[in-house]
Amino acid sequence: GQQLNQSPQSMFIQEGEDVSMNCTSSSIFNTWLWYKQDPGEGPVLLIALYKAGELTSNGRLTAQFGITRKDSFLNISASIPSDVGIYFCAGQGETSGSRLTFGEGTQLTVNP
Amino acid sequence: GAVVSQHPSWVICKSGTSVKIECRSLDFQATTMFWYRQFPKQSLMLMATSNEGSKATYEQGVEKDKFLINHASLTLSTLTVTSAHPEDSSFYICSARDPRTGMNSPLHFGNGTRLTVT
Repeated sequence: GQQLNQSPQSMFIQEGEDVSMNCTSSSIFNTWLWYKQDPGEGPVLLIALYKAGELTSNGRLTAQFGITRKDSFLNISASIPSDVGIYFCAGQGETSGSRLTFGEGTQLTVNP
Repeated sequence: GAVVSQHPSWVICKSGTSVKIECRSLDFQATTMFWYRQFPKQSLMLMATSNEGSKATYEQGVEKDKFLINHASLTLSTLTVTSAHPEDSSFYICSARDPRTGMNSPLHFGNGTRLTVT
């Protein structure tokens, strides 16, 4: 089946620093999504990517859909304490129908 | 934007009892909803796909007789954990797509239900 490798597993940074995380897949995806999950809550959609090579921003967040359609990255610029949480990538592939495959998550800690 | 509401937010039950979790799409109709389970410090794992008016599709390894899914209307899906055991304690999250935004529209998630079985 499809697998997503997300890295890093965790990050500890100082407020104001930039952050980068990425996901790679063993197979092609048609859609890449990035979610943020706060403790005890459901994931919240940050950015959706639909085309290979697409680069999309949402405030301080920027994500790209890799040209090979097997990878994506998320950058957070000028981090702030409320950026703390778990970030998940998710992909929807050609053969998975409407199902999503999730990465293992990146736990982000921002020290003020 | 699309909103998915889940109830209850948390529930504690005794071993052997059953628990029902509701998932509602508040401002759109969803013919399909998805139920995920998340253990501490792990990612989301798809349990089943709930289909309005027909049987749910379960992922491999998920017992359909233990996790009963009913999708009786276009805005409501329920997950019932039957004869719950401590190992069923987990965070259950539902999700759905807003069909108004196309087939590839992203999943929107409910706020999850923390189930603790004592």
